Amino acid sequence: EDKVVQSPLSLVVHEGDTVTLNCSYEVTNFRSLLWYKQEKKAPTFLFMLTSSGIEKKSGRLSSILDKKELFSILNITATQTGDSAVYLCAVGDNAGNNRKLIWGLGTSLAVNP
Amino acid sequence: NAGVTQTPKFQVLKTGQSMTLQCAQDMNHEYMSWYRQDPGMGLRLIHYSVGAGITDQGEVPNGYNVSRSTTEDFPLRLLSAAPSQTSVYFCASSYLLGTEAFFGQGTRLTVV
Repeated sequence: EDKVVQSPLSLVVHEGDTVTLNCSYEVTNFRSLLWYKQEKKAPTFLFMLTSSGIEKKSGRLSSILDKKELFSILNITATQTGDSAVYLCAVGDNAGNNRKLIWGLGTSLAVNP
Repeated sequence: NAGVTQTPKFQVLKTGQSMTLQCAQDMNHEYMSWYRQDPGMGLRLIHYSVGAGITDQGEVPNGYNVSRSTTEDFPLRLLSAAPSQTSVYFCASSYLLGTEAFFGQGTRLTVV
């Protein structure tokens, strides 16, 4: 069965800490892996990864994909209270006619001042 | 650009009532989908469409209908609301499956 597993489920850190969020997956026909940030509203797009070993970076956030070991990590350095959110990982599956995104349950990050 | 416009933001229904959640996008995306999000269950796909005139069921389609008469619009119909349909609903669109998906603002639906 296709699945996406994120860990940890929740995390509490202090401002300035560095955090690493994990996303592992098992899908029939991998197309892409996407990271989203969800505050108290709709998810907003962070990164899309399709190739192993190529880091995507945006400010203090970065992400990398390992297609051999079937996982991705999202790093946030020098965390700020505004980073508090649920971080969602989704994998695009191209299996036959049943193409879809498979979502993890998310990691809830709380950054305390 | 408006992106994905989803209405209403909030809705309270009585058991057995029907309603339609509206979703429109102005990005000329072929792929549109509806999700529900419940605590501890993540985003679950209800229905999706890969283009005008084409719809298909997702993970949790029972109790919901969709249609895609135009590229822009993808309404979700609740046929006879049940308390189990209390949830937050999101519409999303993307150029292709597996590429960046843009989400509507969400609808918080309560069925009493």
